[in-house]
Amino acid sequence: KAGVTQTPRYLIKTRGQQVTLSCSPISGHRSVSWYQQTPGQGLQFLFEYFSETQRNKGNFPGRFSGRQFSNSRSEMNVSTLELGDSALYLCASSQDGSGANVLTFGAGSRLTVL
Amino acid sequence: AQSVTQLDSQVPVFEEAPVELRCNYSSSVSVYLFWYVQYPNQGLQLLLKYLSGSTLVKGINGFEAEFNKSQTSFHLRKPSVHISDTAEYFCAVIMKTSYDKVIFGPGTSLSVIP
Repeated sequence: KAGVTQTPRYLIKTRGQQVTLSCSPISGHRSVSWYQQTPGQGLQFLFEYFSETQRNKGNFPGRFSGRQFSNSRSEMNVSTLELGDSALYLCASSQDGSGANVLTFGAGSRLTVL
Repeated sequence: AQSVTQLDSQVPVFEEAPVELRCNYSSSVSVYLFWYVQYPNQGLQLLLKYLSGSTLVKGINGFEAEFNKSQTSFHLRKPSVHISDTAEYFCAVIMKTSYDKVIFGPGTSLSVIP
């Protein structure tokens, strides 16, 4: 059973650019959530999608957005990149997103903003 | 709102010695509790979870944790650590009524010394 796949694994951008990260969940999982991990702030929840609908959103500016497709794959986009957006972005999937579900994480996409 | 505290940011321990990683949480509603581990350059992996029932939970790799409702704690323990246990450990909570808005603690870096 394939795990959660995130692409790209590493990328470098400059300030003001935008970036799109992709996440393919485990087959059969319909909930996808995104987290930002930085040394200073730790793991912070970005948003969660289920059946192409955003159900929950963390405390991030509108530059951070996402979407989910009918096959449950998800993308997140960050526009007008800032230096502080440098982080490891983790995607996690679960069957239906209920509290008792175990999150299965991808290896992450490491974004560096210069 | 929920919050998770991991008092020890770094824990060095000699190989084959026991270890306890502390986790305390704050929540006005019932929660599920989890411990995740993150190895270098990887995503998070579930170690164990507490949903209900017995307060002593056993997980993978010989780890166990005990839920203490009165002290709102969920400490992680292992009787004898190995070099391969060197990693970052995260305690996490989620409201029983939430959809995958997991709140993570700041993490504890466990270093096993040969």
